Amino acid sequence: QKEVEQDPGPLSVPEGAIVSLNCTYSNSAFQYFMWYRQYSRKGPELLMYTYSSGNKEDGRFTAQVDKSSKYISLFIRDSQPSDSATYLCATGDNYGQNFVFGPGTRLSVLP
Amino acid sequence: GAGVSQSPSNKVTEKGKDVELRCDPISGHTALYWYRQSLGQGLEFLIYFQGNSAPDKSGLPSDRFSAERTGGSVSTLTIQRTQQEDSAVYLCASSPGGGGYEQYFGPGTRLTVT
Repeated sequence: QKEVEQDPGPLSVPEGAIVSLNCTYSNSAFQYFMWYRQYSRKGPELLMYTYSSGNKEDGRFTAQVDKSSKYISLFIRDSQPSDSATYLCATGDNYGQNFVFGPGTRLSVLP
Repeated sequence: GAGVSQSPSNKVTEKGKDVELRCDPISGHTALYWYRQSLGQGLEFLIYFQGNSAPDKSGLPSDRFSAERTGGSVSTLTIQRTQQEDSAVYLCASSPGGGGYEQYFGPGTRLTVT
């Protein structure tokens, strides 16, 4: 079992839809959870990070962590064509050094 | 302010040659990471520098790979005797502290070994 798993997609949605992107992880020691957006031929861009369980909101983006089920989600409201990218989740332990990235989910928002 | 920069952006080399990839982190960031991203794959951790501490080299795939960080700033990743399986995008990231949960990535160097 891989440490962090994501559905690779592609996921296609119409403009304005609510998008749900999900990851599962296996290591219960992981305390930090991050979401990155990566456009084609660019480096990943940090969207947000959370610590432990709970929700965190930033504009149209909401990150949600459920440590009991080892499940993390990113919700995008009012999706835009500019949101079309690959979304990577990542997790790390409490020491902040051992980070594992998921393979990414490719999202297409159709105008 | 300036982000993480990497050079070259693209590198084509012949099998067996050595290559050097450069990373300039964000000024003041103490932590620096190197990753490798192959087509359709996630990020593969290679090496981690934090301040003046000994680097964490646990992700380096073979002894052909090495990295150094001079003066706590610029880093160079060296691949000796390149192989075709080394073809990938090499990404560098820096972080303001040792926490690593706030990593800022450069644009990457696309390496092609022919």
